[in-house]
Amino acid sequence: NAGVTQTPKFRILKIGQSMTLQCAQDMNHNYMYWYRQDPGMGLKLIYYSVGAGITDKGEVPNGYNVSRSTTEDFPLRLELAAPSQTSVYFCASRSGGQPQHFGDGTRLSIL
Amino acid sequence: RKEVEQDPGPFNVPEGATVAFNCTYSNSASQSFFWYRQDCRKEPKLLMSVYSSGNEDGRFTAQLNRASQYISLLIRDSKLSDSATYLCVVNGGDNQGGKLIFGQGTELSVKP
Repeated sequence: NAGVTQTPKFRILKIGQSMTLQCAQDMNHNYMYWYRQDPGMGLKLIYYSVGAGITDKGEVPNGYNVSRSTTEDFPLRLELAAPSQTSVYFCASRSGGQPQHFGDGTRLSIL
Repeated sequence: RKEVEQDPGPFNVPEGATVAFNCTYSNSASQSFFWYRQDCRKEPKLLMSVYSSGNEDGRFTAQLNRASQYISLLIRDSKLSDSATYLCVVNGGDNQGGKLIFGQGTELSVKP
């Protein structure tokens, strides 16, 4: 049972580099989410999607981009990495009205 | 006002104690409510959904008060393994039905 799969699990970037965090789910869920969690803090919603081709901003979208070309995949793009984006990133998915299923997280450090 | 706000914690309790967590939400149109637990920066895991009539799962009881926009979680007979951060989650409601917002979490530490 794959569920929600995030890659990579760990990454170190230099300031100004770009990268894409991958998220895939095999449960045919409509809704997908990206959160970040800073040390000692709660989860902040970056972007979410209610279906293929539809994305919406969350609480902290600046510095990130997303796309949802398929139901299964919801990649998160960092174009110009900044130290403030050092965090743990969680992807989640769900069906309408149901709880979210989370991936294991991507631990990203920007130096 | 934050969209979802929880007791700041941390809560330090002895084994066997009963502990209650509170959560308030700002969007009166919200329809879905959940409690999650998170262990030491691992991914959050669903503890229980919260229903209007209240619901119980073993030692855990969740209550929802729509009029006061308030959710609670009661843990009876606390175990060492209950030590974690408890997260209140609410959906955005109305045209934000897909948007799920987390509270900042309440940390629980159960001591022998």
